[in-house]
Amino acid sequence: DAGVIQSPRHEVTEMGQEVTLRCKPISGHDYLFWYRQTMMRGLELLIYFNNNVPIDDSGMPEDRFSAKMPNASFSTLKIQPSEPRDSAVYFCASSYGGPYGYTFGSGTRLTVV
Amino acid sequence: AQTVTQSQPEMSVQEAETVTLSCTYDTSESDYYLFWYKQPPSRQMILVIRQEAYKQQNATENRFSVNFQKAAKSFSLKISDSQLGDAAMYFCAYRRNNDMRFGAGTRLTVKP
Repeated sequence: DAGVIQSPRHEVTEMGQEVTLRCKPISGHDYLFWYRQTMMRGLELLIYFNNNVPIDDSGMPEDRFSAKMPNASFSTLKIQPSEPRDSAVYFCASSYGGPYGYTFGSGTRLTVV
Repeated sequence: AQTVTQSQPEMSVQEAETVTLSCTYDTSESDYYLFWYKQPPSRQMILVIRQEAYKQQNATENRFSVNFQKAAKSFSLKISDSQLGDAAMYFCAYRRNNDMRFGAGTRLTVKP
């Protein structure tokens, strides 16, 4: 298994532009999570899906952020319009339900200038 | 809300020695799971060890073991025979249902 695959690994964009981050979870995992990591706030859960359905998006910072999971093998996190304060590492993770840890992707480092 | 506290922002250990990283958490639940993750400079989050709250026996994975004190809400990680490759950020995490919360992390340096 190739693990959780995220793309791109790095993204540099100008303020106001739309940014789309992509994630392919591990086949068979029925939960998918999006986290954001910053020095100031650490790891924050943004949203998670169960069987492709968004369950809890209370961590999404504002309406500029949106996430979709059109099928079991693909999810996107979109920021429109992007702002410099969105600069962070964004992680996707997937898991089975129950007592299991999450498997993380390698993250996308987003820089908004 | 559940919170996870790692009181040691940085720790260092001599190669081949043992080091213990501390973690405490706050919860009113009795059924939950605890984890330690390692994040090396590559930034990949790697699961190190897992503990179910209903199990009294402390989890062990090779050189990594935990000291789980449920009443004290404490979950420390012991690394034995430290290796240079153990240098990383270590995050303690609490999971109940599908809500996993992370501590702020401890940066571990391994001195040759």
